[in-house]
Formats: sequence, C-alpha cells, structure tokens
Amino acid sequence: QVQLVQSGAEVKKPGASVKVSCKASGYTFTSYYMHWVRQAPGQGLEWMGIINPSGGSTSYAQKFQGRVTMTRDTSTSTVYMELSSLRSEDTAVYYCAREEYSSSSGYYGMDVWGQGTTVTVSS
Amino acid sequence: QSVLTQPPSVSGAPGQRVTISCTGSSSNIGAGYDVHWYQQLPGTAPKLLIYGNSNRPSGVPDRFSGSKSGTSASLAITGLQAEDEADYYCQSYDSSLSGREGVFGGGTKLTVL
Repeated sequence: QVQLVQSGAEVKKPGASVKVSCKASGYTFTSYYMHWVRQAPGQGLEWMGIINPSGGSTSYAQKFQGRVTMTRDTSTSTVYMELSSLRSEDTAVYYCAREEYSSSSGYYGMDVWGQGTTVTVSS
Repeated sequence: QSVLTQPPSVSGAPGQRVTISCTGSSSNIGAGYDVHWYQQLPGTAPKLLIYGNSNRPSGVPDRFSGSKSGTSASLAITGLQAEDEADYYCQSYDSSLSGREGVFGGGTKLTVL
C-alpha cells in the first residue's frame, strides 16, 4: 500500500541541526511532489517547502530560507528535510506529504501523509 | 497570523449543516490557485478532505463539499455526526517574492454539540 514512513523522534539543543527522513513506498516516487509541513504544540499547520523528487528542484517558504534544505535519494525513494540553527520555537511535529501535479489539471492536494516526526529543541 | 483566514471555531448539533470559511486575497485564492481542505483528528496526521476546490477523494462521504468564489472558499458539512468533531484546515498557494509558497489557514475547530 501507499505509505510514507518518517524517521523517529529527535531531541536537539539550540543551535544544532536536525535531518528528518521520509521513505516512500507503494507508488512511483518521482511522479509526486513532496511537501514538508510542521505543527507546533497546540498550533496550526505551517508549510515549510516542497521538493520535486524527479529533478530535485525545491521551493522553500520565505520564513525558512537559509535554514532549511530538502533533498531526495531516488535509489531509496527517500526525501530528507534538514533544518539548521534550531531554536525552541522549532519544537514541533514535522510531516512529509505527497501531492500529484498535472499541467492540465493543476494540483491534487496532499493525499498521503507520513506519521509525523517530533522534534524537540531544548537546552 | 495566517495568510488564509478561518474562524477559530464552529459548532452544530448532530444532523445539522455547518460551513467553514477560508478568506484569502488576490495573491493566493484570488490569483486562481486551487483550495484544498484537510481534516485533522486529535493526535493524527491531517487527511485530505477536498481537493481542487470541490472534489472529494475516494472514500470521503458526500456530506462534505467545497466551493470557491473570488478570494474565498468554503467547506460545508451536512448531516453532522459526532465523528466529524476535528480541526479543519484550508490550504492554497501564494505568489510571494520567493515564488510560489504553500499557505494554510489557521484552522477551525468543529464541535458537535
């Protein structure tokens, strides 16, 4: 079945970096864009960026420019999100989610989500 | 402050109809970007409810419907059920200085009375 499986919870100190993985299975990896979305405790969803697994192109939210890097490994159908210079406000659950895009029909919404990875930033 | 504005909460009795609004601007919904809706139950990942303004993925009951007009969109839920109690988010794209950014509404908590 189609699924996205994320890496486990992380605890980091302020100023450190974290790299979260998202392994896709059950579909053609390069046919769907992959988003990263985070949710701070008790807060709403926040879009971080998107990667096209086919060519590796990325687009990041202005808020995270310079701090976030999204990459992919097509040999293992895995995407990665690395966030640097961590601060306490980065404590959140981080999700990957896929989206299909068609040049004729547009975007189809994030239809499959990972289980989420809790990142805790604390000294 | 979210780019897309949703009411923080709505409520309704079982069997009733409720609507959730999502208000944007000329740089996002008004620019022609589609709106998608997600349902999030406590402690779980969001679930796609409506895509492309008004389309339901397979398995989503037809009690859920979406619409878009101008710079706004709406999610309607008819025949409210206890299991519909959840947080709901609208999502679209915005033409920003850095290109095209995804944007979410702040979320609406639906309470079934």
